[in-house]
Amino acid sequence: EVQLVESGGGLVQPGRSLRLSCAASGFTFDDYAMHWVRQAPGKGLEWVSGISWNSGSIGYADSVKGRFTISRDNAKNSLYLQMNSLRAEDTALYYCAKGDPLFVDYWGQGTLVTVSS
Amino acid sequence: QLVLTQSPSASASLGASVKLTCTLSSGHSSYAIAWHQQQPEKGPRYLMKLNSDGSHSKGDGIPDRFSGSSSGAERYLTISSLQSEDEADYYCQTWGTGILVFGGGTKLTVL
Repeated sequence: EVQLVESGGGLVQPGRSLRLSCAASGFTFDDYAMHWVRQAPGKGLEWVSGISWNSGSIGYADSVKGRFTISRDNAKNSLYLQMNSLRAEDTALYYCAKGDPLFVDYWGQGTLVTVSS
Repeated sequence: QLVLTQSPSASASLGASVKLTCTLSSGHSSYAIAWHQQQPEKGPRYLMKLNSDGSHSKGDGIPDRFSGSSSGAERYLTISSLQSEDEADYYCQTWGTGILVFGGGTKLTVL
């Protein structure tokens, strides 16, 4: 059974940093692309970033480019999102998602990031 | 620009069928999409991948009541024999050059 478990969310002040993690199990992690998708309160889904199986291809939404960095550790079956210079508009539930490779076929339950002073 | 357009809301009666639409922007009518369901207070769940020719492959455990079809730039999700648990937000998703794109979602109400 595929499982994606996010962690690292919390309350953070504007301008500060936060690192999200996603622990993956139930599939061969290093065979698949992975993505971060977020959902602001009461809003729809927004793709944030994606990374190919070998980290050779990485993409970001314009809204986070230059502030967020996606990475993965295939030895640890883990995906990460380093978020710097956080803004109030980054407040959202952040989902880790498995890609096949460019459509999402499994989702985590999400971790909440709240940016507020 | 690659854009997916969905109606904000839809409704249908318990036991009936409903057809939700996702429209691809001009110049992208050959693109495949994926459909996702998000029940209230839950994370999204992948339903199916839907190709431009209407062929589709469903996710694990998705009931036969869910099916997909295509016509031109339109991609459809049909849910038959509606049940109360089908009341949810439904999102379509596709991909462009290095990015994923989501539609705005359709909120389905089961009457």
